[in-house]
Amino acid sequence: AQKITQTQPGMFVQEKEAVTLDCTYDTSDPSYGLFWYKQPSSGEMIFLIYQGSYDQQNATEGRYSLNFQKARKSANLVISASQLGDSAMYFCAMREGLTSGSRLTFGEGTQLTVNP
Amino acid sequence: KAGVTQTPRYLIKTRGQQVTLSCSPISGHRSVSWYQQTPGQGLQFLFEYFSETQRNKGNFPGRFSGRQFSNSRSEMNVSTLELGDSALYLCASRPGTGVSEAFFGQGTRLTVV
Repeated sequence: AQKITQTQPGMFVQEKEAVTLDCTYDTSDPSYGLFWYKQPSSGEMIFLIYQGSYDQQNATEGRYSLNFQKARKSANLVISASQLGDSAMYFCAMREGLTSGSRLTFGEGTQLTVNP
Repeated sequence: KAGVTQTPRYLIKTRGQQVTLSCSPISGHRSVSWYQQTPGQGLQFLFEYFSETQRNKGNFPGRFSGRQFSNSRSEMNVSTLELGDSALYLCASRPGTGVSEAFFGQGTRLTVV
């Protein structure tokens, strides 16, 4: 079974508008971390935001916020006030447990296009 | 502080050859992970090295191997290259403990012809 599911292969948003990128996950481990990364066409993966399974509050980093709904196993990324430079591939990823080391499981990604 | 450095950035090899890719992590980071990214399979975990020991391994054939040196620099090797090994290979570093995020390099794009 897919551990990380991103159901939106592509999304379009107008500049300055907000956009939500969906991510659902599957794990039986009570301890896990959820990450969002941005990958521009250059290839480098850029860390955006992190949410731990025990965190009580939704994570926020500047224009990025994570809508964490633990019971539904979803961790959607919200980008406010979209900019042209936000056009990129976005990946949701999970690290399970305290003993899995640094292993990340990635979703298939969502290609975001910001239109002027 | 310098980021994660991967060399070379681009590589073209012939089927049957072998290749070695290099990754220099952020100073002080002891964990280095490798990922393969292809259009068909997405991002897949290859292996992780921590303090010169392989700590975790993905589901790849034995043709894929790696190692880590005492300065935390890591290399991955692919022997007997196949066309399907054409991919972007990404390296990520972390301090190794705690919940910190992974920092990625720009990747090595390998093309097997």
